[in-house]
Amino acid sequence: KAGVTQTPRYLIKTRGQQVTLSCSPISGHRSVSWYQQTPGQGLQFLFEYFSETQRNKGNFPGRFSGRQFSNSRSEMNVSTLELGDSALYLCASSQGQGNSPLHFGNGTRLTVT
Amino acid sequence: QKEVEQNSGPLSVPEGAIASLNCTYSDRGSQSFFWYRQYSGKSPELIMFIYSNGDKEDGRFTAQLNKASQYVSLLIRDSQPSDSATYLCAGGSDIPTFGRGTSLIVHP
Repeated sequence: KAGVTQTPRYLIKTRGQQVTLSCSPISGHRSVSWYQQTPGQGLQFLFEYFSETQRNKGNFPGRFSGRQFSNSRSEMNVSTLELGDSALYLCASSQGQGNSPLHFGNGTRLTVT
Repeated sequence: QKEVEQNSGPLSVPEGAIASLNCTYSDRGSQSFFWYRQYSGKSPELIMFIYSNGDKEDGRFTAQLNKASQYVSLLIRDSQPSDSATYLCAGGSDIPTFGRGTSLIVHP
């Protein structure tokens, strides 16, 4: 079974731009979660989608948004990029039943200059 | 605020020894607990999950959960240099909260 696929692997953007990251979950997984990982803050939860609906949201500004499509693929968008948005963005999928184990993709490394 | 606390380490153990990694959590409503391993430059990989009080064994790994003490641990027996990584503890009732991770170094 194919794992979680994230694209692109690396991105370099400048302040003020916007970016869209993509995630394809494991086949059959209906829940997709997004996390931001930085050396200083560790893994921070952004949001979770289940059956095209945002089910949970972390404590991030409205510049961070996401969506999920009918095939469970998900996208995350960050608008008006700031230097502090530089991080590894991780997508994880799960079967979505309660607090089930997460399976992470390889991540997208975003650098904002 | 829901928190998961881990000692950042590094925890250094000799090859063949038992490595003991510990984690405490603040949310008494937490039902599920997970251990992930993250190699440098890679994404987290699920090692074990535990839902009930007591021990759960899988090969060289044993997860221990004590809900009364709000304490989770991971034991790695016969540690190998390839076990050198950061170990993330996560727990929660709906969305897992992650600790900052403990760096483990297994030296030959």
